[in-house]
Amino acid sequence: AQKVTQAQTEISVVEKEDVTLDCVYETRDTTYYLFWYKQPPSGELVFLIRRNSFDEQNEISGRYSWNFQKSTSSFNFTITASQVVDSAVYFCALSEEGGSQGNLIFGKGTKLSVKP
Amino acid sequence: NAGVTQTPKFQVLKTGQSMTLQCAQDMNHEYMSWYRQDPGMGLRLIHYSVGAGITDQGEVPNGYNVSRSTTEDFPLRLLSAAPSQTSVYFCASSYSDREYNEQFFGPGTRLTVL
Repeated sequence: AQKVTQAQTEISVVEKEDVTLDCVYETRDTTYYLFWYKQPPSGELVFLIRRNSFDEQNEISGRYSWNFQKSTSSFNFTITASQVVDSAVYFCALSEEGGSQGNLIFGKGTKLSVKP
Repeated sequence: NAGVTQTPKFQVLKTGQSMTLQCAQDMNHEYMSWYRQDPGMGLRLIHYSVGAGITDQGEVPNGYNVSRSTTEDFPLRLLSAAPSQTSVYFCASSYSDREYNEQFFGPGTRLTVL
């Protein structure tokens, strides 16, 4: 059963718009980590953030912010004032304490297109 | 540090051929893994290794073999390539197999099986 759901397959925005990428996860573990990775058109995977299950503080890094809510099992990612360079596929991933050692469970990704 | 390197970057095979995708890391990471990425499927774990001499299967291991004779290298072997193995393959490494470790990914190998 899929444990990370990114319901938005593709999103298209115009530059300077704010955009939120949704991520819903499912796990029975009390200790787990959530990650976001960016995959630009060049193809590599770039680590963006890691959040553990005991830390529900929101995180802000420049134009990026993350909203972790255990009550709704969500870990959403917002880009403020989007730029063309933000165009990429974004993956949310889950790592469980009780899962296959070190295994990252990925969502299917959300393709973000930012148009000038 | 070169990080995680993969070779080749692109490969075309005919059905039935065998080949090895190379992966190396210079960060002295214990944990290494292979994922495949297919359109609309995200990344799925093929095999992983928690240290030299120790490997195990992931979600989609059929048709692939791995071995880990050194800490640095983790090659992925396709025994008899099939069109269903057309995919982008990513190797990753992390300090350990603990769930909190960030995984570092290689640049990927794009494989086409005709």
